[in-house]
Formats: sequence, C-alpha cells, structure tokens
Amino acid sequence: GGIITQTPKFLIGQEGQKLTLKCQQNFNHDTMYWYRQDSGKGLRLIYYSITENDLQKGDLSEGYDASREKKSSFSLTVTSAQKNEMAVFLCASSIGGGTEVFFGKGTRLTVV
Amino acid sequence: GDSVTQKQGQVTLSEDDFLFINCTYSTTTYPTLFWYVQYPGQGPQLLLKVTTANNKGISRGFEATYDKGTTSFHLQKASVQESDSAVYFCALVYTGANTGKLTFGHGTILRVHP
Repeated sequence: GGIITQTPKFLIGQEGQKLTLKCQQNFNHDTMYWYRQDSGKGLRLIYYSITENDLQKGDLSEGYDASREKKSSFSLTVTSAQKNEMAVFLCASSIGGGTEVFFGKGTRLTVV
Repeated sequence: GDSVTQKQGQVTLSEDDFLFINCTYSTTTYPTLFWYVQYPGQGPQLLLKVTTANNKGISRGFEATYDKGTTSFHLQKASVQESDSAVYFCALVYTGANTGKLTFGHGTILRVHP
C-alpha cells in the first residue's frame, strides 16, 4: 500500500497572503489532483497533473497555482487568500483513468 | 457537462435500520460510478465501484446498482451500525478518460444512533 501526506494539516493565513500547500505520495501514481471541500458542496477539482511537469486546470482554478516538479509531489498555491475560500483542501492520486483515486487527510485553511 | 445529484444532505438512523442514499447522475458518456466514504478527520476512501460491465457493486455490506434507465446509483445497506456514521459521496468518471478526474455529488451525512 501507499500513503498520501499533506502538509501542513492546519494553515492559518491573513487575507491577501500567498499560501502554499504541499502533497507527497508514495504510490508511484502518475496522476495527482487537488480538490477543495466546502461544507455541503462536495469536492470540486482545482488542478490536476497527469505526469511530472504537467498541469491541467479544473473547475475551480481561478485564484490558485499548482506545481508538479516531481512525480511524487504536487503543491498548490493560494495566490491571494480570501476569507470566502476557507475550506479543506484534499490532495489525491491515481494510476489513471477509471481507477480508484486515493486521498490524503487534507489541509484545513483558515483566513483571518 | 457531467453532474451528480445527492438529494439528501443528512440521514439519521438507529442501529439495524435500513439505509438508502439517493444518487442520480447526468452525463453524455458511459460513466464508471463510485461511492466514497469519508470518516471524521480523514480523506474520502473508496467504498465501491461499478462499471457498465458489472452493474452492481457490493462492499462491507453496502451495495449499489447502476441503473442506466433511471440514471441512478443509489446506495443501500440492510442494517447500519454506529460505525457507519460518516459522509458518503457519489461520484462518476468518464470511463474512457485518461485520468481519474471525478465529478462528485455534494455528499450525504449519515448519523447512526446506538
């Protein structure tokens, strides 16, 4: 088995601040994802990457950047934190299409 | 685009009750359908998966049947336990996709009282 590690677990930032969330996986999966989870709204895709150095925008990419410098890691940057984007950010990975997606435990973002 | 609808925001049951969580979907493609479960403080994890080839998924006492006619994928369990309390997400992916890019429903919170 493998594991997805997200750091930090809790992130508190000020409005307008640039914040970075990190994710590492040891499944050796090609595809990685960042989802945002808001209460009552399910999970919405922010960015995904099908291989090292690849980036694809999801439905919610505005206000975010992502980076996939290594196969095992995928980071997400909130370019200017806003109070309305306090949520849990979930990193995930999968082998490819139609297969199981594995999730990390999440980073809870609070903006003050 | 693809969409998944879970009408029930929350379901409250007692132990040994029958569970039914509604899920309908809309897609122009042939989807693979999933149920994910999320326990407190954890990320979602796969509960079961169904494709057009196998129609029905069963796992840990939960089952879901893929009904193309009604475009539904409801989750059922005959007798719930307190440990089943969690958030349940229905999701789909286009079967021919080269990624696992999932479309999720909003989730249903299940609370089971002892």
